[in-house]
Amino acid sequence: DAKTTQPPSMDCAEGRAANLPCNHSTISGNEYVYWYRQIHSQGPQYIIHGLKNNETNEMASLIITEDRKSSTLILPHATLRDTAVYYCIVRVPNRDDKIIFGKGTRLHILP
Amino acid sequence: DGGITQSPKYLFRKEGQNVTLSCEQNLNHDAMYWYRQDPGQGLRLIYYSQIVNDFQKGDIAEGYSVSREKKESFPLTVTSAQKNPTAFYLCASSLGGGSNTEAFFGQGTRLTVV
Repeated sequence: DAKTTQPPSMDCAEGRAANLPCNHSTISGNEYVYWYRQIHSQGPQYIIHGLKNNETNEMASLIITEDRKSSTLILPHATLRDTAVYYCIVRVPNRDDKIIFGKGTRLHILP
Repeated sequence: DGGITQSPKYLFRKEGQNVTLSCEQNLNHDAMYWYRQDPGQGLRLIYYSQIVNDFQKGDIAEGYSVSREKKESFPLTVTSAQKNPTAFYLCASSLGGGSNTEAFFGQGTRLTVV
């Protein structure tokens, strides 16, 4: 079973910041938080990942709470092309690494 | 170009026939994965392999089989025992071996069984 909980859907106005929450209250100390997104009928695309510290790249920012029980993916200036399903995953990159997806959040960017 | 390739993109088969879906990567990745996705649902893990000649069942392995004879290839066979095979199938690979890197996905094969 997926170890994360996400809202099934969210709306965001074009040009505004999209903040996607993820709950991972049972995360263990060596598990990383990864985010992927899937545009309709395509393979998922990696966005960002982190362990404890906040992370930023050209696509997004990842904010992880101090207790690591939740995180937020931030798309700073959402565009229509950001409409997709966003998946939050926790995983331990060890030799039995299974990448388990939940149902994700369907993000609608409104013009 | 380096990447992960699934073929074909669309596949039609008659009920009762086995069908094999291809997944090839030239990323020199040790780990490979197969997922199934049904309409409006998330991805469910079928099988995964962390190294050549070894693979493990995922959450929904019944009715499927895999092989990992070469590092670059991880074909999935959908057997006649799979009761509802029509779905979107996704293959992924990652560096594996405990490396903290992302997984890369193919573009998927949409299988329709009639």
